Amino acid sequence: AQSVTQPDIHITVSEGASLELRCNYSYGATPYLFWYVQSPGQGLQLLLKYFSGDTLVQGIKGFEAEFKRSQSSFNLRKPSVHWSDAAEYFCAVGGGSQGNLIFGKGTKLSVKP
Amino acid sequence: DAMVIQNPRYQVTQFGKPVTLSCSQTLNHNVMYWYQQKSSQAPKLLFHYYDKDFNNEADTPDNFQSRRPNTSFCFLDIRSPGLGDAAMYLCATSLRPGGPETQYFGPGTRLLVL
Repeated sequence: AQSVTQPDIHITVSEGASLELRCNYSYGATPYLFWYVQSPGQGLQLLLKYFSGDTLVQGIKGFEAEFKRSQSSFNLRKPSVHWSDAAEYFCAVGGGSQGNLIFGKGTKLSVKP
Repeated sequence: DAMVIQNPRYQVTQFGKPVTLSCSQTLNHNVMYWYQQKSSQAPKLLFHYYDKDFNNEADTPDNFQSRRPNTSFCFLDIRSPGLGDAAMYLCATSLRPGGPETQYFGPGTRLLVL
């Protein structure tokens, strides 16, 4: 069965520091991978997605993610975190039984001054 | 701007009292989804409509129903809310169903059951 694992429940980084959020997936075929961000009390906003081709994907707000098939990973990175990046981040794989997204449990990001 | 709108943003209901949540979209997408997200958990799909075709997840309780009267609107009906149904309910849309399609989410409705 398809699944997504985000090993880190909560991460705190200093403003200006680099960030990497981990995501591992289990999927039988070529995965369609997504990163969404959710600010408190808000819906989910798409940061970036991977279907095929270049394994390094650029997204909005300065985020990027790299697909590594050999490691079944799709980690999200940002070179310099801003206080406004504090939010919860969800990794998801497309291709559930009804074409729905299967989400990881999320990683909450806190940013300290 | 094209968007997904959910009303109300906050809903308080009483145990057992039916409640309806609303979602509308200006994206003209064919697919509309309802997800349930409990505190500190991942969103979980309840069901979706592909045009007028309703598709229920196997483990969605019978207490949850949905209606899609036209392309733009979709409703989530909870017939007899229990305390365990308190959650954020997210509506999403996509142009087509399937893995590569991007889903666009509304801001959610937070449901409180007293």
